[in-house]
Amino acid sequence: QVQLQESGPGLVKPSQTLSLTCTVSGGSISNGAYYWTWIRQHPGKGLEWIGYIYYSGSTYYNPSLTGRVTISVDTSKNQFSLKLSSVTAADTAVYYCARGFVRATIFDAFDIWGQGTVVTVSS
Amino acid sequence: EIVLTQSPGTLSLSPGERATLSCRASQSVSSSYLAWYQQKSGQAPRLLIYGASTRATGIPGRFSGSGSGTDFTLTISRLEPEDFAVYYCQQYGSSTRTFGQGTKVEIK
Repeated sequence: QVQLQESGPGLVKPSQTLSLTCTVSGGSISNGAYYWTWIRQHPGKGLEWIGYIYYSGSTYYNPSLTGRVTISVDTSKNQFSLKLSSVTAADTAVYYCARGFVRATIFDAFDIWGQGTVVTVSS
Repeated sequence: EIVLTQSPGTLSLSPGERATLSCRASQSVSSSYLAWYQQKSGQAPRLLIYGASTRATGIPGRFSGSGSGTDFTLTISRLEPEDFAVYYCQQYGSSTRTFGQGTKVEIK
């Protein structure tokens, strides 16, 4: 079955760039029936959607993060990545990667999630 | 951006009881593009319902979703011990996906 696994540094200094990778196993990231997304959860808080990417490379980002966020895909490695620049303590969160399914032409709900990775922004 | 407001914040119930969770949108959610997720402590969320009322693969029949427009409901017909968790609604009718703040279902 398809599994997603986040990886990357658990500690990032303020003003630097947070970089995470999600490795997809058990299925192809190039399968047009799915799209790929990042979501974060601040400590003790709810879920915040960051953005998504389709295997073709098309992206859409949360307007609250536009300008700081970039999501990219590497189909040869079956991975997609998140970069968040100019981080502050407010970016400390658990970061999840997830798969969304495409139903007709609709980018539907998120049906498979990674286990999440904790990222702390601190000097 | 569509704001989703969930109520109540916390629901205290006993196993076997019925749970009714509400999700209200600040504007109409097109074509009922609304999902519900369950999150247990220390775990990633799990998709329960999509399209407002369609159960995801492997989700037990005691979970049901309903609603349209701006008002949506998740019902758990008879709570099992494993159902005590936090539940989030999420809309995908607009390009900017948003989540509700969550409802915690706790053991009374």
